[in-house]
Amino acid sequence: DAGVIQSPRHEVTEMGQEVTLRCKPISGHDYLFWYRQTMMRGLELLIYFNNNVPIDDSGMPEDRFSAKMPNASFSTLKIQPSEPRDSAVYFCASRSEGGLSGNTIYFGEGSWLTVV
Amino acid sequence: AQSVTQLGSHVSVSEGALVLLRCNYSSSVPPYLFWYVQYPNQGLQLLLKYTTGATLVKGINGFEAEFKKSETSFHLTKPSAHMSDAAEYFCAVTRSGSARQLTFGSGTQLTVLP
Repeated sequence: DAGVIQSPRHEVTEMGQEVTLRCKPISGHDYLFWYRQTMMRGLELLIYFNNNVPIDDSGMPEDRFSAKMPNASFSTLKIQPSEPRDSAVYFCASRSEGGLSGNTIYFGEGSWLTVV
Repeated sequence: AQSVTQLGSHVSVSEGALVLLRCNYSSSVPPYLFWYVQYPNQGLQLLLKYTTGATLVKGINGFEAEFKKSETSFHLTKPSAHMSDAAEYFCAVTRSGSARQLTFGSGTQLTVLP
């Protein structure tokens, strides 16, 4: 399996610009998660989807952040407008409901965002 | 609600020495417990997990962890450290029967000295 695929791997953008991060989960997985990793706050769950439906977005920092999952194989996390404090590594992850690996969440390589 | 405490944000061991990374959890229901490893500039890779059954679980790269309910602990060990083990290690917990989201500890950076 190809694993969770994220793009871009690295992005540097100017404050105020829109940023879109993309994720392709593992095929057949029912859940998709967006996490953010910073030095100050560690790994935080931003939002997760089940069968393409957002279930819990309580971790989304503010209205500048939005996430969508238009189909089972694609999700986006958008920041508009971006601010320097959004600089972090954003991880997408997925898991399946059942099967031998049903309890395991698999992570992508991350999108390293720098807002200057 | 669940939470995880990792004691020691930085641990240094000599190559060949025992690795012990500590993790204590708090959960009002039976937990599922995980250890992930993150190498520099990479994503998180699952090392091992405990869900049910045997409390001593073995993972990749020679690591193992033991679930001790009485101590609410899930410490990670490896008998002999290798230089390639240098990385950051995260303990995580979720509710049994759910596993829908993970709560992570703050991580432990492992340094292996030659």
